[in-house]
Amino acid sequence: AQSVTQPDIHITVSEGASLELRCNYSYGATPYLFWYVQSPGQGLQLLLKYFSGDTLVQGIKGFEAEFKRSQSSFNLRKPSVHWSDAAEYFCAVGAAGTASKLTFGTGTRLQVTL
Amino acid sequence: DTGVSQDPRHKITKRGQNVTFRCDPISEHNRLYWYRQTLGQGPEFLTYFQNEAQLEKSRLLSDRFSAERPKGSFSTLEIQRTEQGDSAMYLCASSTGYQPQHFGDGTRLSIL
Repeated sequence: AQSVTQPDIHITVSEGASLELRCNYSYGATPYLFWYVQSPGQGLQLLLKYFSGDTLVQGIKGFEAEFKRSQSSFNLRKPSVHWSDAAEYFCAVGAAGTASKLTFGTGTRLQVTL
Repeated sequence: DTGVSQDPRHKITKRGQNVTFRCDPISEHNRLYWYRQTLGQGPEFLTYFQNEAQLEKSRLLSDRFSAERPKGSFSTLEIQRTEQGDSAMYLCASSTGYQPQHFGDGTRLSIL
């Protein structure tokens, strides 16, 4: 069964500082990997996805993530955080080559201090 | 692209009542998904349609839950005899091909 672990429940960073959110997945074959962001009371917005190819993927709002198969990780990074980045971030895994369900982690809440 | 639309945004009901939620996917998307999200958790998969066919259901979807997508466009999720544990955000998503799922803003269900 597929699973996702986000070890950090809550992270606080200063505006302008760099950010890395951790994600580890468990999946028996080649996964599709995603990062979504959720603001309070809202749905989820896709930040970026990894299907295949280049292991460093760029997303919206200046975010990037790196797929490391050997570590079963897909960490999200941003070089300089803005106050508007404060939100909940979810990593998700899906089965490659299909369009079925996503399995999400429990999320990391990001707080940005000015 | 008008996005995934869900209605209502918030539903408050008494325990034991039936509720129905609606989801309108992005118009060209043939796949539609329902997820449930409880406080402090990530979304959990409930069920998935390709066109009008319901192809997968989670064991989370008890027999009090039923979902339909009669014409392969909008979908409804009905919960019968609601219980306190049904309180959650119900999220709908849609996609086409193997492209990422796009989510609506959800329906928050509160059981009194």
